[in-house]
Amino acid sequence: DVKVTQSSRYLVKRTGEKVFLECVQDMDHENMFWYRQDPGLGLRLIYFSYDVKMKEKGDIPEGYSVSREKKERFSLILESASTNQTSMYLCASHRHSNQPQHFGDGTRLSIL
Amino acid sequence: DQQVKQNSPSLSVQEGRISILNCDYTNSMFDYFLWYKKYPAEGPTFLISISSIKDKNEDGRFTVFLNKSAKHLSLHIVPSQPGDSAVYFCAASDTSGTYKYIFGTGTRLKVLA
Repeated sequence: DVKVTQSSRYLVKRTGEKVFLECVQDMDHENMFWYRQDPGLGLRLIYFSYDVKMKEKGDIPEGYSVSREKKERFSLILESASTNQTSMYLCASHRHSNQPQHFGDGTRLSIL
Repeated sequence: DQQVKQNSPSLSVQEGRISILNCDYTNSMFDYFLWYKKYPAEGPTFLISISSIKDKNEDGRFTVFLNKSAKHLSLHIVPSQPGDSAVYFCAASDTSGTYKYIFGTGTRLKVLA
């Protein structure tokens, strides 16, 4: 079974802080993704990576950056957290675009 | 511009009856479609997928239908069970392009006992 693990289930941070969200997958998948989920908006893609050290912007990359130094790990960074970044953050991975993405359990992030 | 739309935010169905969830898309390049189920405080779980070369795919109680000319897909759950109560997301992908999925906004299904 594919396992995608997100480091925190719940996180509370303050405005202006630099925030790191970590994601690890154990299936040697090439492709990894960060989404945020907000009520009425579905899942929106922030960034994705199709290989180590490679990254591409998704639909809402503003205020975020990512890092992929190892194949199994994909980090999302909020450079200077703001209250409008309060959300559920979901990490996913898959091997190929014609295979399902597998999701972690999410990190509920609150920015105060 | 929303390329994948789920126009019903919520749906209630009696236990044992059929649940039909609908999804429309606009991009004719999409050739791979999926349904995910999501419980509160958990990540989405993959349910079923369909390639554009098919018009139907079945897995147990779940069947996905694809109508390419109408750019419409639907998920049928028969019979519906209380444990099926969750938010359902459809997603679409152009497998010749990037690795991105485009997700709909979700439909909350409530199965009444």
